[in-house]
Amino acid sequence: AQSVAQPEDQVNVAEGNPLTVKCTYSVSGNPYLFWYVQYPNRGLQFLLKYITGDNLVKGSYGFEAEFNKSQTSFHLKKPSALVSDSALYFCAVRGYTGGFKTIFGAGTRLFVKA
Amino acid sequence: EAGVTQFPSHSVIEKGQTVTLRCDPISGHDNLYWYRRVMGKEIKFLLHFVKESKQDESGMPNNRFLAERTGGTYSTLKVQPAELEDSGVYFCASSRDALSYEQYFGPGTRLTVT
Repeated sequence: AQSVAQPEDQVNVAEGNPLTVKCTYSVSGNPYLFWYVQYPNRGLQFLLKYITGDNLVKGSYGFEAEFNKSQTSFHLKKPSALVSDSALYFCAVRGYTGGFKTIFGAGTRLFVKA
Repeated sequence: EAGVTQFPSHSVIEKGQTVTLRCDPISGHDNLYWYRRVMGKEIKFLLHFVKESKQDESGMPNNRFLAERTGGTYSTLKVQPAELEDSGVYFCASSRDALSYEQYFGPGTRLTVT
């Protein structure tokens, strides 16, 4: 069965420091991996995706994520955090045999301190 | 283009009552999805429409939940009768076609059953 794990409920980082939000997954076949962000009182916004190709994918707002097949991970990263990056981040996976159903993690709250 | 809209933004009802949630997808998006997030947990898939047809309703919790998409435009999700465990945030998302990996989410409807 497909699953996504976000091991940290919250990540705290100082503004200007690099940030990492962790995600591991389990899926049959080749994974399609996504990161979404949710700001207060807003819907989820798409950040980036990995379908195939280069393991390092770049997305919106300076975020990037690295696909690691051996570790079944897809960690979200940003070289220099901004206070405005504070939000709820969701990792998601859709397996090749999963049809069009996307499985989400429980979310990680990122808090960037000025 | 206008985004995905959901109505109402909040709903508080008593156990045993009926509630109907509405989702208006982005114009031209044939694919419409319903998800639910219970407090602090993962976002769970409920069902997927392609136009007016239910493509996948494997995530619907039980027969108290009824989703419709008459005419392939907006969709409604009715809960009748509501139970305490139905409380959560119900998200709607849409995509242009089945191969569009990015889904566009609405702001969600927060349902509280007391």
